[in-house]
Amino acid sequence: AQSVTQLDSHVSVSEGTPVLLRCNYSSSYSPSLFWYVQHPNKGLQLLLKYTSAATLVKGINGFEAEFKKSETSFHLTKPSAHMSDAAEYFCVVSKPGSSASKIIFGSGTRLSIRP
Amino acid sequence: DAGVTQSPTHLIKTRGQQVTLRCSPKSGHDTVSWYQQALGQGPQFIFQYYEEEERQRGNFPDRFSGHQFPNYSSELNVNALLLGDSALYLCASSSVAGGPLAEQFFGPGTRLTVL
Repeated sequence: AQSVTQLDSHVSVSEGTPVLLRCNYSSSYSPSLFWYVQHPNKGLQLLLKYTSAATLVKGINGFEAEFKKSETSFHLTKPSAHMSDAAEYFCVVSKPGSSASKIIFGSGTRLSIRP
Repeated sequence: DAGVTQSPTHLIKTRGQQVTLRCSPKSGHDTVSWYQQALGQGPQFIFQYYEEEERQRGNFPDRFSGHQFPNYSSELNVNALLLGDSALYLCASSSVAGGPLAEQFFGPGTRLTVL
């Protein structure tokens, strides 16, 4: 069985300050992990993915995430927030090599950026 | 490339009615997946179509059915609508050549409201 928990439903940061969105997973095997972003009235967009290669994964728009097996975490970070980063972010866990039906989405974290 | 498109954007139905949602995949993609995203939650996998057949199914009742056409576009049908079916319905397309966890490209969704 696998599950994913996003620890914050809402995060608010000032423009130019660091972003941290937290995600913990539970899995009986070494998982594949993803972060997606959802802007209002737009589809989900893949930010980055971890598939058992390097533990520090770099994604688009300056985001990165680090896979920490000992902490069962896959937190998303960005050094400096931009107004355009305001959106909903989803952490996703899946069993490597498995199918779409085995993909589990977290409940999401809404990121707000203060001017 | 228009990406994944969905229609209609919004839809209002009453309990007991039937609804059909439509999806056109990204150019070059042959696989379509449907997800239900209830308010404040992450998307949940409904089913996936490839070669005009349902290949995988999530934990959804038979009231949810689908179809894929020779041009790879797809429909999601929901019968006997319940209030709990109110959600954002997302379509995602991918290419089977990319393997089981090929990147999925999401459409903007159809917002269904059941009164």
